[in-house]
Amino acid sequence: EVQLVESGGGVVRPGGSLRLSCAASGFTFDDYGMSWVRQVPGKGLEWVSGFNWNGGNTAYADSVKGRFTISRDNAKNSLYLQMNSLRAEDTALYHCARGSSSWYGTFDFWGQGTLVTVSS
Amino acid sequence: DIQMTQSPSSLSASVGDRVTITCQASQDISNYLNWYQQKPGKAPKLLIYDASSLETGVPSRFSGSGSGTDFTFTISSLQPEDIATYYCQQFDDLVALTFGGGTKVEIK
Repeated sequence: EVQLVESGGGVVRPGGSLRLSCAASGFTFDDYGMSWVRQVPGKGLEWVSGFNWNGGNTAYADSVKGRFTISRDNAKNSLYLQMNSLRAEDTALYHCARGSSSWYGTFDFWGQGTLVTVSS
Repeated sequence: DIQMTQSPSSLSASVGDRVTITCQASQDISNYLNWYQQKPGKAPKLLIYDASSLETGVPSRFSGSGSGTDFTFTISSLQPEDIATYYCQQFDDLVALTFGGGTKVEIK
């Protein structure tokens, strides 16, 4: 069974940093592209960042470019999101999502998310 | 970025009704479009990929159609368990993946 479990969320002050993790199991992690998608509670979905199975073709939403860094450790079956210079508008539930293939454009499995709150 | 305009933003229908949601892209995206279902408090679930292909295990009452800029998602016979918010998503532009604003489906 495919499982994606996010962790690392919490409350952080504006300008602070946070590192999110996503532990993957139930599939061959290094065969698949991965993404982070966020959702302000009660609002819609916003793709944040994604890359291919080998970490290539990395892309970021304009809203986080230069502040967030996506990475993966295939040996640990883990996905990460380093978030720096956090802003109030980054407050959201952050989901990791598996690409349906070696690319990341279609999200066929999602984690339940980890909540990030940016507040002074 | 490619803008995805989804309508309506909400709808109320009776059990057994046919429900249709539309999604319009701001430019031609061929068939690079997916549909997701999100139930309250749950993660989104992929229902339709490549505009019209049914994801494994998804009931056949769900379907999708369209190409280019105009797409349609249909529930042929609404069931109580279909209460959710539905989102379209384009993957033509892989450096800027975008979702529609969502359609909340309720039972009348």
